[in-house]
Amino acid sequence: SSELTQDPAVSVALGQTVKITCQGDDLRGSYATWYQQRPGQAPVLLLHGYNNRPSGIPDRFSGSYLGNTASLTITGVQAEDEADYYCNSRVTGVYRLMFGGGTRLTVL
Amino acid sequence: EVQLLESGGGLVQPGGSLRLSCAASGFDFRASAMSWVRQAPGKGLEWVSGISVTGGGTYYAPSVEGRFTISRDNVLNTVYLQMDSLGVEDTALYYCAKDGYNLGDFFDFWGQGALVTVSS
Repeated sequence: SSELTQDPAVSVALGQTVKITCQGDDLRGSYATWYQQRPGQAPVLLLHGYNNRPSGIPDRFSGSYLGNTASLTITGVQAEDEADYYCNSRVTGVYRLMFGGGTRLTVL
Repeated sequence: EVQLLESGGGLVQPGGSLRLSCAASGFDFRASAMSWVRQAPGKGLEWVSGISVTGGGTYYAPSVEGRFTISRDNVLNTVYLQMDSLGVEDTALYYCAKDGYNLGDFFDFWGQGALVTVSS
């Protein structure tokens, strides 16, 4: 069945670079969208399409693709980047959306 | 400023029904597809349902198809989620979200959520 797989947890030192991945066969034909969710808050759109950032999203957030894997890279991680990150995409051939299980980013 | 304000959440017994509303403002509601996404306590996000700009296209996750109905009122700028035959597995925070560009492309604005608790 269609699904998106994310690592449950990742940690990174303040100021370093981290890559969060999202793997799924449907990503071969669809873009991934990335959301950030801080504790107790609603999700916020980070990236959509091929590396498109909404206004207000810092350019330290970027996206890339390789095969069936989409990646979110945060360059120069800040303390406020500590959050859950979700990828999202369409299921190929039907109108249905799916989310990855989410990655909890801890900033050390 | 885009605002999405959910209401209608609460405690309901298994097998019961509830209708969520999402009042939208700050953008051209009639030109925007809308969706519902839920999050069970301590869990990840799950897409629930989406509706096209006219309401002529409605889509559901397999987990809710046949039990939930999405609709919209383009005069009141409101999207609804009628939830029937609720089970404990439907307990979650339900977010209303505005679709960017087209239905299902991405969600560029989210409400703060309405909590639905299904319990006896």
